[in-house]
Amino acid sequence: GNSVTQMEGPVTLSEEAFLTINCTYTATGYPSLFWYVQYPGEGLQLLLKATKADDKGSNKGFEATYRKETTSFHLEKGSVQVSDSAVYFCALRDYGQNFVFGPGTRLSVLP
Amino acid sequence: DVKVTQSSRYLVKRTGEKVFLECVQDMDHENMFWYRQDPGLGLRLIYFSYDVKMKEKGDIPEGYSVSREKKERFSLILESASTNQTSMYLCASSLGAWNTEAFFGQGTRLTVV
Repeated sequence: GNSVTQMEGPVTLSEEAFLTINCTYTATGYPSLFWYVQYPGEGLQLLLKATKADDKGSNKGFEATYRKETTSFHLEKGSVQVSDSAVYFCALRDYGQNFVFGPGTRLSVLP
Repeated sequence: DVKVTQSSRYLVKRTGEKVFLECVQDMDHENMFWYRQDPGLGLRLIYFSYDVKMKEKGDIPEGYSVSREKKERFSLILESASTNQTSMYLCASSLGAWNTEAFFGQGTRLTVV
């Protein structure tokens, strides 16, 4: 079946550091890929998405590129802020309509 | 903006009670989902619905049922609440196409005592 693997957290960075959160997936077809963010006590919010190979999703300084050859969708940000502290989920959606989520990576950014 | 609204942010129920969690979306989405989120276990799909009166079991349906009588509303029912159902419950909705995203409600933190 389909699956999503993310790097284990927590990830702790200083403000203005570079962020990478790795995400790889297994899918039988050509899924759409998503990054969601969850702030404490809240539901998940879409951060960015990509629907085909080599697409780059971007939002609020975050970027991720759909790499079919490596089945990856790594999240990056050049300079993190304290307000980026949250849990980040990588997800895919296939033709079966369901979403598959990774386990989430908790990010803490220190001032 | 798409809005998915869950009826309660926090809920405390007693063991054995029948519990209803309500979710309403305002964007005419075909698909609706119920997940539970527990520390270290991520999001687990309980049930989903791809149309009115249609439902499919997810990964952990035991102890739960759902109802979708109208397109905008998807209810999760705990038939007889137990302490191991204490969790954060998240509702989501989406269009049916594979390249569209899910929109989530704010979550309901349920405590069963």
